[in-house]
Amino acid sequence: GAGVSQSPSNKVTEKGKDVELRCDPISGHTALYWYRQRLGQGLEFLIYFQGNSAPDKSGLPSDRFSAERTGESVSTLTIQRTQQEDSAVYLCASRGLANNEQFFGPGTRLTVL
Amino acid sequence: QKEVEQNSGPLSVPEGAIASLNCTYSDRGSQSFFWYRQYSGKSPELIMFIYSNGDKEDGRFTAQLNKASQYVSLLIRDSQPSDSATYLCAVIYSSASKIIFGSGTRLSIRP
Repeated sequence: GAGVSQSPSNKVTEKGKDVELRCDPISGHTALYWYRQRLGQGLEFLIYFQGNSAPDKSGLPSDRFSAERTGESVSTLTIQRTQQEDSAVYLCASRGLANNEQFFGPGTRLTVL
Repeated sequence: QKEVEQNSGPLSVPEGAIASLNCTYSDRGSQSFFWYRQYSGKSPELIMFIYSNGDKEDGRFTAQLNKASQYVSLLIRDSQPSDSATYLCAVIYSSASKIIFGSGTRLSIRP
């Protein structure tokens, strides 16, 4: 595709359920980032992939959060046993090697009831 | 201590005037600097990037970088109401290519 895509665009779940969020980066982009943005707040870094490896997982808030990337393409962010404080927009971004410009997807709005 | 600092605002500027947004960063080894615009309910959109000291102009936007003083700024000339948004400064550091964002400055252009 021409840009970064994310699915689903909206997810409503019940507390305690697991959710999986998907990101399709721009084709050929080797770097992929996940961020969380709570309402009215700034971007909170979660994890960064270079290829399929994650050299920086320092932003994952707890062991309920995990992410993987396969084929240097699609990435999934999994949140287990969701809590109400997990409600936020989860943004994915990708960046190529040729330049440092990073492009964002439209985000997934997660609501935990 | 935050690594990228921005004034949260809101910054109110009359239509047609110049809006000046500032950002400071802590790591002298930083290599690349970006300005993103984020409208409410939307994802950030890249509007400018700069790598070298000095000014870079693109239409009504000018990015200014001063590595010695560790600040980067964004000037918006002939401000329009459609420029009202939150502006995020982002920095790529010298290690691990991690991109760090500031908390953003909310800009409001009043007609």
